Amino acid sequence: NAGVMQNPRHLVRRRGQEARLRCSPMKGHSHVYWYRQLPEEGLKFMVYLQKENIIDESGMPKERFSAEFPKEGPSILRIQQVVRGDSAAYFCASSPISTRPWGYGYTFGSGTRLTVV
Amino acid sequence: AQTVTQSQPEMSVQEAETVTLSCTYDTSESDYYLFWYKQPPSRQMILVIRQEAYKQQNATENRFSVNFQKAAKSFSLKISDSQLGDAAMYFCAYRSVLGAGGTSYGKLTFGQGTILTVHP
Repeated sequence: NAGVMQNPRHLVRRRGQEARLRCSPMKGHSHVYWYRQLPEEGLKFMVYLQKENIIDESGMPKERFSAEFPKEGPSILRIQQVVRGDSAAYFCASSPISTRPWGYGYTFGSGTRLTVV
Repeated sequence: AQTVTQSQPEMSVQEAETVTLSCTYDTSESDYYLFWYKQPPSRQMILVIRQEAYKQQNATENRFSVNFQKAAKSFSLKISDSQLGDAAMYFCAYRSVLGAGGTSYGKLTFGQGTILTVHP
């Protein structure tokens, strides 16, 4: 079981370019979450997706950010026209479909560190 | 909205000693989960321990244990027999069981983190 795979591990973009971050959930997991960690801060929730559905995007900035989790393939977090303030570590996590046992937490990937120059 | 506060930006401990990391939270819910995550320099988020709010018994995982005080909304982590490998950033996190319109399932709210240094 490969765990949650995120790529790339490091990504450098110039201001104004687009950044695409990929996340492949654990096998059997159909829920994906994206979090952002600014330097010296905790993780902040961005978006929660199930296959082909955005369930909760209350933490997503209104502009330039989008996320998808298609029927086939990884989940993608897309940042258009990046600015220096987007520099952060972006984490993906996944969990299985479930009813009660939210208490198992979920499995995080190793994150993608985005640097905007 | 729930908030999680870790009031200790940094803590240090001698190897083999015991250290306690503090966490308080604010919620109007009666049923929820609490977690401690460890983030070493590798950046990987590692689940250390979890607590279900409806269980009064404090969770324990080997050298890690919690002191869960539901009325005080306090959830501290105790690390016994500290090891050099315990050095990391530690995050306290809250997770709702039920959310408005069912859309809050799974969302974690994190504290600001505590950097733990272990001295040999």
